[in-house]
Amino acid sequence: SQKIEQNSEALNIQEGKTATLTCNYTNYSPAYLQWYRQDPGRGPVFLLLIRENEKEKRKERLKVTFDTTLKQSLFHITASQPADSATYLCALRANFGNEKLTFGTGTRLTIIP
Amino acid sequence: GAGVSQSPRYKVAKRGQDVALRCDPISGHVSLFWYQQALGQGPEFLTYFQNEAQLDKSGLPSDRFFAERPEGSVSTLKIQRTQQEDSAVYLCASSVTGTLVYGYTFGSGTRLTVV
Repeated sequence: SQKIEQNSEALNIQEGKTATLTCNYTNYSPAYLQWYRQDPGRGPVFLLLIRENEKEKRKERLKVTFDTTLKQSLFHITASQPADSATYLCALRANFGNEKLTFGTGTRLTIIP
Repeated sequence: GAGVSQSPRYKVAKRGQDVALRCDPISGHVSLFWYQQALGQGPEFLTYFQNEAQLDKSGLPSDRFFAERPEGSVSTLKIQRTQQEDSAVYLCASSVTGTLVYGYTFGSGTRLTVV
């Protein structure tokens, strides 16, 4: 069966360090993968998209990698700040022609001052 | 409007009651999605519209769930004869169709509690 796993339910990182979150998937051949941030009581907010033919994408302090051989994406936040504390979700679009995204369960990140 | 608007923000329903949840997408966004999010879980797909056409309703958990978007803008998710397992946050999202380069824009959701 198809599955998307984010390997940590919760992650605590010291302020200033790099936070690395993992998204693994099975039985998908995704067209691309997206990362979202969700704060309590709010809907997810889109951060980054990476396509199947891209290895890495950056945006300010954020970096995403995508390894279709390992079926894994890594999401990095460098120079982390307490304001980065939130739940981070990865999402896959499996097929062209259907815009449906399938989400992972999320990783709750806490940046400790 | 500037964002996706959902109402009501909170809804408490007695078991067996019917509820209707509303979503106002971003003007010009052709695609509209409904997701269900249980506590501590990621959003689960329910259904998807392109304009007024419902292209995928594979995620609707039972025939008690019904969604419509009659004029291709505002959408309503209706749940008939609510059950306790329907308690969740219902999220609506919209996007520019044909590309997801900019991702979905989500509303803040409707938290439904069935008592």
